[in-house]
Amino acid sequence: RKEVEQDPGPFNVPEGATVAFNCTYSNSASQSFFWYRQDCRKEPKLLMSVYSSGNEDGRFTAQLNRASQYISLLIRDSKLSDSATYLCVVNKGYSTLTFGKGTMLLVSP
Amino acid sequence: EADIYQTPRYLVIGTGKKITLECSQTMGHDKMYWYQQDPGMELHLIHYSYGVNSTEKGDLSSESTVSRIRTEHFPLTLESARPSHTSQYLCASSEGGGRPEQFFGPGTRLTVL
Repeated sequence: RKEVEQDPGPFNVPEGATVAFNCTYSNSASQSFFWYRQDCRKEPKLLMSVYSSGNEDGRFTAQLNRASQYISLLIRDSKLSDSATYLCVVNKGYSTLTFGKGTMLLVSP
Repeated sequence: EADIYQTPRYLVIGTGKKITLECSQTMGHDKMYWYQQDPGMELHLIHYSYGVNSTEKGDLSSESTVSRIRTEHFPLTLESARPSHTSQYLCASSEGGGRPEQFFGPGTRLTVL
């Protein structure tokens, strides 16, 4: 089983839609989790950190389910500028992170 | 916003050349990292450092080497570039401790002919 698994997508949604991505992880000892956003041919940028059961920042909500070992990212009221690849990231310990392959989101007018 | 810089941004070089990819950060972060990412693929950790004079190999085997003589500087060197080294190389840093979030530089896109 891969350390971090994500549906690669693409998820095609219209502007204004709500979309959710899931991510599963294999190491039950992982303590912290992150969502990064990566635009085509650019560097990943931190979107949200998840240290407890969840986190919310404006239109973005992340939730953690430790029992089932998955993290979700919900985006409400999608904008064209939300089009990107969303990387699920798990802290392996000692400040090293494991990155998922990412889920591609395409928001259309 | 993270202050982490990489040069060059793009490099096209012939087989057998020695190259050094530069990475600097002005945040005083102790931990620094090098990742390799091919198009459409996930990031793979190739080297990391916990501080000055500390270097460790990552999950992906790499023929490159790194050094950490100063906190702010973490260069990556390829002694003899090959076409298989063609990739994007991303440098990152983190505060460490209770804050493992990593912040990335813009990357170096390397093409070896």
